[in-house]
Amino acid sequence: NAGVTQTPKFQVLKTGQSMTLQCAQDMNHEYMSWYRQDPGMGLRLIHYSVGAGITDQGEVPNGYNVSRSTTEDFPLRLLSAAPSQTSVYFCASSKPGHGSGSLHFGNGTRLTVT
Amino acid sequence: GENVEQHPSTLSVQEGDSAVIKCTYSDSASNYFPWYKQELGKGPQLIIDIRSNVGEKKDQRIAVTLNKTAKHFSLHITETQPEDSAVYFCAASKDNYGQNFVFGPGTRLSVLP
Repeated sequence: NAGVTQTPKFQVLKTGQSMTLQCAQDMNHEYMSWYRQDPGMGLRLIHYSVGAGITDQGEVPNGYNVSRSTTEDFPLRLLSAAPSQTSVYFCASSKPGHGSGSLHFGNGTRLTVT
Repeated sequence: GENVEQHPSTLSVQEGDSAVIKCTYSDSASNYFPWYKQELGKGPQLIIDIRSNVGEKKDQRIAVTLNKTAKHFSLHITETQPEDSAVYFCAASKDNYGQNFVFGPGTRLSVLP
């Protein structure tokens, strides 16, 4: 059972380059989200999706785009990378509902922008 | 919006002792409070959670308590073991899906043998 799979694990970009962080889940979860983790700041929500075709902004959406064409995949796009986007990025999924609020996280993508 | 504070930021205990991590939240509408454990190089993993209609929940050596009036909740780990060493995050959520969490900044727990 793969759970949430993120690729790549590591990435180095130059300022201004673009890239897509991939996230896929095989648990048929309706909800998916992207967080960034910075030292001393916990995890901050970037974008989320409550189902295919539906996305919304989180706390720190600027500089990032998302789309959700299938239930399984939720890619995160950086259109023009900036050093401030150096971080560890986590994708998470869950099946919404009163009794199932826990997030399942991938193992993260460590991004460095020089 | 919601703000979650977490203390202490680092905690060292001797193996076998207890560890307590405390979180406070600002939005009284928050109703779901999970705790996550993150080991080096991995994503956070849920270890225990509590909903606002419950005051305490236990799972073997781990317990969580919630004080809605004071807007704080705590993680208690008893009989700590070296494998408990990790970063622990608390979170709070209130949206319709109960999914958009606000996380605390984390506590790095070290269990010394």
